[in-house]
Amino acid sequence: QKEVEQNSGPLSVPEGAIASLNCTYSDRGSQSFFWYRQYSGKSPELIMSIYSNGDKEDGRFTAQLNKASQYVSLLIRDSQPSDSATYLCAVNMGTDSWGKLQFGAGTQVVVTP
Amino acid sequence: ETGVTQSPTHLIKTRGQQVTLRCSSQSGHNTVSWYQQALGQGPQFIFQYYREEENGRGNFPPRFSGLQFPNYSSELNVNALELDDSALYLCASSREGTDTQYFGPGTRLTVL
Repeated sequence: QKEVEQNSGPLSVPEGAIASLNCTYSDRGSQSFFWYRQYSGKSPELIMSIYSNGDKEDGRFTAQLNKASQYVSLLIRDSQPSDSATYLCAVNMGTDSWGKLQFGAGTQVVVTP
Repeated sequence: ETGVTQSPTHLIKTRGQQVTLRCSSQSGHNTVSWYQQALGQGPQFIFQYYREEENGRGNFPPRFSGLQFPNYSSELNVNALELDDSALYLCASSREGTDTQYFGPGTRLTVL
């Protein structure tokens, strides 16, 4: 059973601090990795994609990928109350499975003023 | 650029009934995937449509079926509804050969 694992949280973060979210996956064939943000009652919104080992930065967000350890993380710098949401980690379902994503259950982040 | 749209927004059905959900893909996208998201869970892949044919299915029974039309829009049909089918149904579109999925607003289905 291929799995994507995330800590469910809630992760409580003071405003202005760094939120660190972790995700592990079991399918070594996965090549594409995504972070989605989902506000309560809304649909997932893509915030980051990463395909190569290392770090990728986009504004206040940094995604980190380590394929050898089957680990992907997301850092949110200078956290704002508007960052309070559930963050979903998603990976593609192995080679030759384009466009099909497997999701973790999500980590709830609560940014406190 | 037009985003992914879904209809209806909400739907209430009773057990045993049938339901059809609709999705229009983002402009320039020819592939549509459907996901089911139960409360407190991540989205689960149902199936994908590409070139008007099913192109991969997750662990869902045959009573979940779909269609894709020449304009790339898609339908999800669920027969013999069960209580556990209550969920948020998400449609996502993408370009062929790519993994990046853009989600529509979803349809909230409640089965009583």
